Amino acid sequence: AQSVTQLDSHVSVSEGTPVLLRCNYSSSYSPSLFWYVQHPNKGLQLLLKYTSAATLVKGINGFEAEFKKSETSFHLTKPSAHMSDAAEYFCVVTFQTGANNLFFGTGTRLTVIP
Amino acid sequence: NAGVTQTPKFQVLKTGQSMTLQCAQDMNHEYMSWYRQDPGMGLRLIHYSVGAGITDQGEVPNGYNVSRSTTEDFPLRLLSAAPSQTSVYFCASSTRDLKTRFFGPGTRLTVL
Repeated sequence: AQSVTQLDSHVSVSEGTPVLLRCNYSSSYSPSLFWYVQHPNKGLQLLLKYTSAATLVKGINGFEAEFKKSETSFHLTKPSAHMSDAAEYFCVVTFQTGANNLFFGTGTRLTVIP
Repeated sequence: NAGVTQTPKFQVLKTGQSMTLQCAQDMNHEYMSWYRQDPGMGLRLIHYSVGAGITDQGEVPNGYNVSRSTTEDFPLRLLSAAPSQTSVYFCASSTRDLKTRFFGPGTRLTVL
Protein backbone atom coordinates (compact mmCIF):
# COMPACT_ATOMS: atom_id res chain seq x y z
CA ALA A 1 0.00 0.00 0.00
CA GLN A 2 1.12 3.54 -0.69
CA SER A 3 1.09 6.21 1.99
CA VAL A 4 2.88 9.31 3.15
CA THR A 5 3.49 10.38 6.75
CA GLN A 6 4.45 13.77 8.05
CA LEU A 7 5.88 13.11 11.45
CA ASP A 8 5.16 16.48 13.04
CA SER A 9 1.85 18.30 12.91
CA HIS A 10 3.44 21.49 14.27
CA VAL A 11 7.01 22.78 14.27
CA SER A 12 8.18 26.00 15.93
CA VAL A 13 11.55 27.59 15.21
CA SER A 14 13.14 30.92 15.97
CA GLU A 15 13.85 33.30 13.13
CA GLY A 16 17.32 32.64 11.71
CA THR A 17 17.52 29.03 12.93
CA PRO A 18 17.33 25.92 10.72
CA VAL A 19 14.06 24.34 9.65
CA LEU A 20 13.48 20.58 9.40
CA LEU A 21 10.10 19.20 8.32
CA ARG A 22 10.00 15.42 8.17
CA CYS A 23 8.28 13.20 5.62
CA ASN A 24 8.32 9.44 5.14
CA TYR A 25 6.57 7.40 2.51
CA SER A 26 5.81 3.78 1.84
CA SER A 27 5.47 2.40 -1.64
CA SER A 28 6.08 -0.61 -3.79
CA TYR A 29 6.77 1.67 -6.73
CA SER A 30 9.26 4.40 -7.55
CA PRO A 31 7.72 7.59 -6.27
CA SER A 32 7.76 11.18 -7.35
CA LEU A 33 7.83 13.44 -4.30
CA PHE A 34 6.78 17.02 -3.79
CA TRP A 35 6.61 19.63 -1.10
CA TYR A 36 3.84 22.22 -1.27
CA VAL A 37 3.38 25.28 0.92
CA GLN A 38 0.07 26.87 1.82
CA HIS A 39 -0.06 30.29 3.42
CA PRO A 40 -3.18 31.23 5.39
CA ASN A 41 -6.24 31.48 3.18
CA LYS A 42 -4.13 30.88 0.11
CA GLY A 43 -3.83 28.08 -2.40
CA LEU A 44 -1.08 25.51 -2.73
CA GLN A 45 2.31 26.52 -4.09
CA LEU A 46 4.90 24.03 -5.26
CA LEU A 47 8.17 24.37 -3.34
CA LEU A 48 10.14 21.60 -4.98
CA LYS A 49 9.85 18.17 -6.55
CA TYR A 50 11.86 14.98 -6.92
CA THR A 51 11.26 12.90 -10.04
CA SER A 52 14.16 10.37 -10.09
CA ALA A 53 16.93 12.77 -11.03
CA ALA A 54 19.32 14.25 -8.43
CA THR A 55 18.47 13.11 -4.90
CA LEU A 56 19.13 16.56 -3.42
CA VAL A 57 16.49 18.91 -4.74
CA LYS A 58 16.61 22.67 -4.41
CA GLY A 59 13.39 24.63 -4.39
CA ILE A 60 12.18 28.16 -4.05
CA ASN A 61 12.79 30.47 -1.09
CA GLY A 62 15.94 28.63 0.02
CA PHE A 63 14.26 25.30 0.75
CA GLU A 64 15.73 21.97 -0.24
CA ALA A 65 14.93 18.31 0.30
CA GLU A 66 16.88 15.10 0.02
CA PHE A 67 15.39 11.85 -1.26
CA LYS A 68 16.77 8.91 0.73
CA LYS A 69 15.50 5.66 -0.68
CA SER A 70 17.04 3.52 2.06
CA GLU A 71 15.16 5.52 4.68
CA THR A 72 12.06 6.14 2.50
CA SER A 73 12.30 9.79 3.50
CA PHE A 74 12.06 13.18 1.84
CA HIS A 75 12.68 15.70 4.59
CA LEU A 76 12.43 19.44 3.88
CA THR A 77 15.12 21.76 5.20
CA LYS A 78 16.12 25.40 5.19
CA PRO A 79 19.29 26.76 6.81
CA SER A 80 17.72 29.90 8.24
CA ALA A 81 14.03 30.50 8.89
CA HIS A 82 12.36 33.74 7.91
CA MET A 83 9.13 35.12 9.29
CA SER A 84 7.53 34.76 5.87
CA ASP A 85 8.11 30.97 6.03
CA ALA A 86 5.29 30.61 8.56
CA ALA A 87 2.73 28.45 6.75
CA GLU A 88 1.47 24.90 6.38
CA TYR A 89 3.65 22.47 4.46
CA PHE A 90 2.44 19.34 2.72
CA CYS A 91 4.55 16.41 1.62
CA VAL A 92 3.00 14.79 -1.42
CA VAL A 93 3.78 11.55 -3.20
CA THR A 94 2.65 10.24 -6.52
CA PHE A 95 3.36 6.81 -7.83
CA GLN A 96 3.94 5.86 -11.44
CA THR A 97 1.11 3.37 -11.53
CA GLY A 98 -0.92 5.15 -14.17
CA ALA A 99 -3.52 6.41 -11.74
CA ASN A 100 -4.04 10.14 -11.51
CA ASN A 101 -3.54 10.43 -7.79
CA LEU A 102 -1.48 12.31 -5.30
CA PHE A 103 -1.10 11.10 -1.73
CA PHE A 104 -1.00 14.05 0.64
CA GLY A 105 0.50 14.07 4.08
CA THR A 106 -1.62 15.60 6.80
CA GLY A 107 0.50 18.74 6.85
CA THR A 108 2.99 20.41 9.18
CA ARG A 109 2.28 23.87 10.47
CA LEU A 110 5.48 25.89 10.75
CA THR A 111 5.57 28.74 13.25
CA VAL A 112 8.49 31.18 13.16
CA ILE A 113 9.19 33.01 16.39
CA PRO A 114 10.73 36.49 16.10
CA ASN B 1 -2.00 31.95 -19.08
CA ALA B 2 -4.47 32.21 -16.24
CA GLY B 3 -3.50 28.72 -15.03
CA VAL B 4 -6.20 26.97 -13.02
CA THR B 5 -9.19 29.10 -12.06
CA GLN B 6 -11.98 28.25 -9.65
CA THR B 7 -15.30 29.94 -8.99
CA PRO B 8 -16.77 30.87 -6.63
CA LYS B 9 -14.14 31.62 -3.98
CA PHE B 10 -16.66 31.37 -1.16
CA GLN B 11 -20.10 29.78 -0.95
CA VAL B 12 -22.64 29.16 1.79
CA LEU B 13 -25.35 26.56 1.20
CA LYS B 14 -28.24 25.17 3.18
CA THR B 15 -28.52 21.44 3.70
CA GLY B 16 -30.15 19.82 0.68
CA GLN B 17 -29.24 22.52 -1.81
CA SER B 18 -27.31 21.66 -4.93
CA MET B 19 -24.59 23.64 -6.63
CA THR B 20 -21.68 23.39 -9.05
CA LEU B 21 -18.11 24.39 -8.35
CA GLN B 22 -16.41 25.52 -11.51
CA CYS B 23 -12.85 24.73 -12.53
CA ALA B 24 -11.09 25.72 -15.73
CA GLN B 25 -7.53 25.53 -17.01
CA ASP B 26 -5.94 27.05 -20.09
CA MET B 27 -2.79 24.94 -20.26
CA ASN B 28 -4.27 22.15 -22.38
CA HIS B 29 -3.66 19.65 -19.58
CA GLU B 30 -5.27 16.28 -20.00
CA TYR B 31 -5.43 15.41 -16.33
CA MET B 32 -7.71 17.27 -13.94
CA SER B 33 -8.80 16.44 -10.43
CA TRP B 34 -10.79 17.68 -7.45
CA TYR B 35 -9.61 17.53 -3.83
CA ARG B 36 -11.12 18.53 -0.55
CA GLN B 37 -9.04 19.83 2.31
CA ASP B 38 -10.10 19.23 5.88
CA PRO B 39 -8.15 20.06 9.06
CA GLY B 40 -5.68 17.35 10.03
CA MET B 41 -6.46 15.25 6.96
CA GLY B 42 -4.45 16.85 4.19
CA LEU B 43 -6.07 16.80 0.77
CA ARG B 44 -8.23 13.91 -0.34
CA LEU B 45 -9.08 13.07 -3.93
CA ILE B 46 -12.76 13.27 -4.85
CA HIS B 47 -12.84 12.64 -8.60
CA TYR B 48 -10.39 12.87 -11.43
CA SER B 49 -10.31 12.87 -15.21
CA VAL B 50 -7.62 11.71 -17.60
CA GLY B 51 -9.15 13.43 -20.59
CA ALA B 52 -12.32 14.78 -22.12
CA GLY B 53 -15.16 12.30 -21.68
CA ILE B 54 -13.30 10.22 -19.08
CA THR B 55 -13.81 10.50 -15.33
CA ASP B 56 -13.19 8.24 -12.37
CA GLN B 57 -13.71 8.19 -8.62
CA GLY B 58 -11.11 9.05 -6.08
CA GLU B 59 -10.94 8.41 -2.36
CA VAL B 60 -14.10 10.28 -1.28
CA PRO B 61 -16.53 10.47 -4.22
CA ASN B 62 -19.87 10.07 -2.42
CA GLY B 63 -22.17 13.07 -2.78
CA TYR B 64 -20.28 14.52 -5.73
CA ASN B 65 -20.60 14.24 -9.50
CA VAL B 66 -18.25 15.37 -12.24
CA SER B 67 -18.21 15.58 -16.00
CA ARG B 68 -15.53 16.46 -18.51
CA SER B 69 -17.09 17.58 -21.78
CA THR B 70 -14.09 19.71 -22.76
CA THR B 71 -10.37 19.64 -22.00
CA GLU B 72 -10.59 23.02 -20.30
CA ASP B 73 -13.45 22.54 -17.83
CA PHE B 74 -14.03 20.10 -14.98
CA PRO B 75 -17.03 21.11 -12.85
CA LEU B 76 -17.81 19.46 -9.52
CA ARG B 77 -21.48 19.09 -8.61
CA LEU B 78 -22.88 18.68 -5.14
CA LEU B 79 -26.20 16.91 -5.55
CA SER B 80 -27.68 17.52 -2.11
CA ALA B 81 -25.34 19.43 0.18
CA ALA B 82 -24.66 18.12 3.67
CA PRO B 83 -22.79 19.74 6.58
CA SER B 84 -20.10 17.06 6.19
CA GLN B 85 -19.26 18.65 2.86
CA THR B 86 -18.13 21.85 4.52
CA SER B 87 -14.55 22.08 3.34
CA VAL B 88 -12.11 23.84 1.07
CA TYR B 89 -12.13 22.43 -2.43
CA PHE B 90 -9.13 22.52 -4.73
CA CYS B 91 -9.09 21.78 -8.42
CA ALA B 92 -5.82 20.71 -10.04
CA SER B 93 -4.56 20.01 -13.52
CA SER B 94 -1.42 18.29 -14.62
CA THR B 95 0.66 17.26 -17.55
CA ARG B 96 0.35 13.74 -18.90
CA ASP B 97 3.35 12.49 -16.90
CA LEU B 98 1.78 13.79 -13.65
CA LYS B 99 5.09 15.41 -12.75
CA THR B 100 3.86 18.99 -12.92
CA ARG B 101 0.62 19.77 -11.15
CA PHE B 102 -1.05 23.12 -10.80
CA PHE B 103 -3.66 23.91 -8.20
CA GLY B 104 -6.43 26.46 -8.32
CA PRO B 105 -6.88 28.98 -5.49
CA GLY B 106 -9.62 26.97 -3.82
CA THR B 107 -13.33 27.34 -3.02
CA ARG B 108 -14.33 27.61 0.61
CA LEU B 109 -17.74 25.96 1.04
CA THR B 110 -19.89 26.07 4.15
CA VAL B 111 -23.02 23.96 4.43
CA LEU B 112 -25.41 24.97 7.19
